[in-house]
Amino acid sequence: SQELEQSPQSLIVQEGKNLTINCTSSKTLYGLYWYKQKYGEGLIFLMMLQKGGEEKSHEKITAKLDEKKQQSSLHITASQPSHAGIYLCGADTGTYKYIFGTGTRLKVLA
Amino acid sequence: NAGVTQTPKFRILKIGQSMTLQCTQDMNHNYMYWYRQDPGMGLKLIYYSVGAGITDKGEVPNGYNVSRSTTEDFPLRLELAAPSQTSVYFCASSYSRGDTEAFFGQGTRLTVV
Repeated sequence: SQELEQSPQSLIVQEGKNLTINCTSSKTLYGLYWYKQKYGEGLIFLMMLQKGGEEKSHEKITAKLDEKKQQSSLHITASQPSHAGIYLCGADTGTYKYIFGTGTRLKVLA
Repeated sequence: NAGVTQTPKFRILKIGQSMTLQCTQDMNHNYMYWYRQDPGMGLKLIYYSVGAGITDKGEVPNGYNVSRSTTEDFPLRLELAAPSQTSVYFCASSYSRGDTEAFFGQGTRLTVV
């Protein structure tokens, strides 16, 4: 079973539209991370959330972690073609493991 | 700093062959990880290490072995390669457990034919 579930699995949006990606765990998370992967390349760190209710923003990307530390959302405002890629949430679920979600493939149409 | 370096970048193996994927980091990180990423999928944890001499299984360890004799190196060994092991393999490291970001290598694309 997957410890971290992401939704949606894929997303196609028109340039300029807002979008949200969700990451859900059945366990309390010790840290939640968002990474972006361009097709065929390595992972790029976006941001880390540790405290319940925490919210961070970088440029047009905002990530939130719920109070229970079991769910996070990544919101992109006014999407651009440069936002295209695979978004992955990663987390420490308390057993020294750094596991990842299933990924969300984002395509932005110009 | 070079960060996390993986070699080789690409490899084609025949069924039944063995190989070692190399991973080295120069950040003095205690934690190191091996993941595989199948096409269109997320990352699955194969093995991880919390320090030299200490390794443990992740989500999908069958068919793989690891060792951690030094802080810097964390090689992944494939014995008797099978087509199901065709994937992109990523090595990562972090300073500590889940309160710091992980740094990733560029990946090794492995095809077993």
